Amino acid sequence: EAGVAQSPRYKIIEKRQSVAFWCNPISGHATLYWYQQILGQGPKLLIQFQNNGVVDDSQLPKDRFSAERLKGVDSTLKIQPAKLEDSAVYLCASREDRVVSEAFFGQGTRLTVV
Amino acid sequence: GQQLNQSPQSMFIQEGEDVSMNCTSSSIFNTWLWYKQDPGEGPVLLIALYKAGELTSNGRLTAQFGITRKDSFLNISASIPSDVGIYFCAGQLASNTGKLIFGQGTTLQVKP
Repeated sequence: EAGVAQSPRYKIIEKRQSVAFWCNPISGHATLYWYQQILGQGPKLLIQFQNNGVVDDSQLPKDRFSAERLKGVDSTLKIQPAKLEDSAVYLCASREDRVVSEAFFGQGTRLTVV
Repeated sequence: GQQLNQSPQSMFIQEGEDVSMNCTSSSIFNTWLWYKQDPGEGPVLLIALYKAGELTSNGRLTAQFGITRKDSFLNISASIPSDVGIYFCAGQLASNTGKLIFGQGTTLQVKP
């Protein structure tokens, strides 16, 4: 079974530029998460989708971050404009739509804002 | 907001020693997950716990879901050099959203 796919693996941009990350979850997984992991810290949830609907985006900085999952499968996370403090690894995870189920992660995208 | 307190923050042990780490919270969870993260990689699932009081093993790893549903621990027995990495607990909140939150991580270093 294919795992969670993310691209790109690495991205370096200048502050105030825009960037987008892509995630393809495990087939059949209705729940999709985007996490931000700053160096030395645990992953912090940015947004959670159930199919193509947003379940939780309480910690998403909506003035600059946006995410969509138009057909309930792939998802994109965008930052516009980027700030230096956005430098982090952006992780995507997916989970089956059951009350109890495991979440599986992609390899992440390492973003460096200079 | 919801928070998981994971300890210890780091450990430096001798090969062959046993290791124990834990997570606590004021929130109630219906699932506890333990992950290992190697540098440059995403977290990899080690053990999943679904019921209060559940004790589950995976090779040299043993984890338990606390009876209060607010805590969990992970033990690693007879550590080896490849156990080096960062270990994270994650709890799925007992709510409709199934929000998954993470601890701060335990960095494990093993001296051969």
